[in-house]
Amino acid sequence: RKEVEQDPGPFNVPEGATVAFNCTYSNSASQSFFWYRQDCRKEPKLLMSVYSSGNEDGRFTAQLNRASQYISLLIRDSKLSDSATYLCVVNSGGYQKVTFGIGTKLQVIP
Amino acid sequence: DVKVTQSSRYLVKRTGEKVFLECVQDMDHENMFWYRQDPGLGLRLIYFSYDVKMKEKGDIPEGYSVSREKKERFSLILESASTNQTSMYLCASRADTSGSTDTQYFGPGTRLTVL
Repeated sequence: RKEVEQDPGPFNVPEGATVAFNCTYSNSASQSFFWYRQDCRKEPKLLMSVYSSGNEDGRFTAQLNRASQYISLLIRDSKLSDSATYLCVVNSGGYQKVTFGIGTKLQVIP
Repeated sequence: DVKVTQSSRYLVKRTGEKVFLECVQDMDHENMFWYRQDPGLGLRLIYFSYDVKMKEKGDIPEGYSVSREKKERFSLILESASTNQTSMYLCASRADTSGSTDTQYFGPGTRLTVL
């Protein structure tokens, strides 16, 4: 089983739709979790950290489910500019234990 | 704003050549990383450094070496480039010395093609 698993997509959704991605992780000792966004041919950039209590930033909501070992990202009212690949990142402690998922590609359609 | 710069955006080299990829960050971060990113495989850690002259192997260090002579600069070296090293190379830096909570800031990437 991969350490961090994501559905690569693509997810094609119309503007205004709500879309959710999940990311599962295998190491129950994982400590911190992040979502990064990567635009085509660009570098990854932090979108948001994922806290145990869940967190929201505008149209974006991130949640952590430790019992089932997954994190989620919900995007409401999708915009064309949300089209990107969303990378799940899990840190299991220490420098070497940062694992990136392969990313989920989102395409928002007019 | 944190800035991480990489020496080249695109690079074409021949098999057997020695290749240097340079990365510079301007935020006095302790930690620096080199990744490669390939379709279907995601980002994989090659090497990281938590201080000047300190380095640790990541998940795929074979065929690579690194150098960190100054805090702001972290170089990736391909001693003898091979075609399977064709990839996107991403450098990142991070401030937190505990290694668990802080953001990684990425450079724009170098797309290396080895012919």
